[in-house]
Amino acid sequence: AQKITQTQPGMFVQEKEAVTLDCTYDTSDPSYGLFWYKQPSSGEMIFLIYQGSYDQQNATEGRYSLNFQKARKSANLVISASQLGDSAMYFCAMREGRGGYQKVTFGTGTKLQVIP
Amino acid sequence: ETGVTQTPRHLVMGMTNKKSLKCEQHLGHNAMYWYKQSAKKPLELMFVYNFKEQTENNSVPSRFSPECPNSSHLFLHLHTLQPEDSALYLCASSQAGSTGISYEQYFGPGTRLTVT
Repeated sequence: AQKITQTQPGMFVQEKEAVTLDCTYDTSDPSYGLFWYKQPSSGEMIFLIYQGSYDQQNATEGRYSLNFQKARKSANLVISASQLGDSAMYFCAMREGRGGYQKVTFGTGTKLQVIP
Repeated sequence: ETGVTQTPRHLVMGMTNKKSLKCEQHLGHNAMYWYKQSAKKPLELMFVYNFKEQTENNSVPSRFSPECPNSSHLFLHLHTLQPEDSALYLCASSQAGSTGISYEQYFGPGTRLTVT
């Protein structure tokens, strides 16, 4: 089974609107972390937001928020007030384990295009 | 220099060549990673160095050989590569706490490798 599933290969959103990018995960590790990264066409991978499995509240960072539903094993990224500069690939990732045994798994990504 | 730097940014090599990719992090982190990003495939974790100890190799072919002389520098030595090894190679670093858990990873700009 896929550890990280991103079912939306591509998304369009109107500028200034909000958009939700889906991510579901699969793990038996009780301690894990979920991340979202942005990769513009220039190639660099930019960290956006992190949610720990034991965090009680959903993570927020500026216009980014993570809708964490533990029972459903979903960690959707919500981008509010989309900007043209938000057009990029977005990757969901999961960290399992710790120290020398940590594993990091990335999803296949969602290409977001913001329309003026 | 700030963040994570990688050199070279682009590399073209023949299958019989030997080359090395270099990564340097200026963030004071204690864990470093090599990832491979191929077209239409999820980012693949190749190697993890945690506190300079290599702890994960994810069954990477021996034609890829990592080296971590100190916590700030990471190398990926390449020899007798195959055309299917052509990809974007990304380096990342993170700060692992006393529990061994790392949070967000900071990525370098990547080396675009083409094997001819």
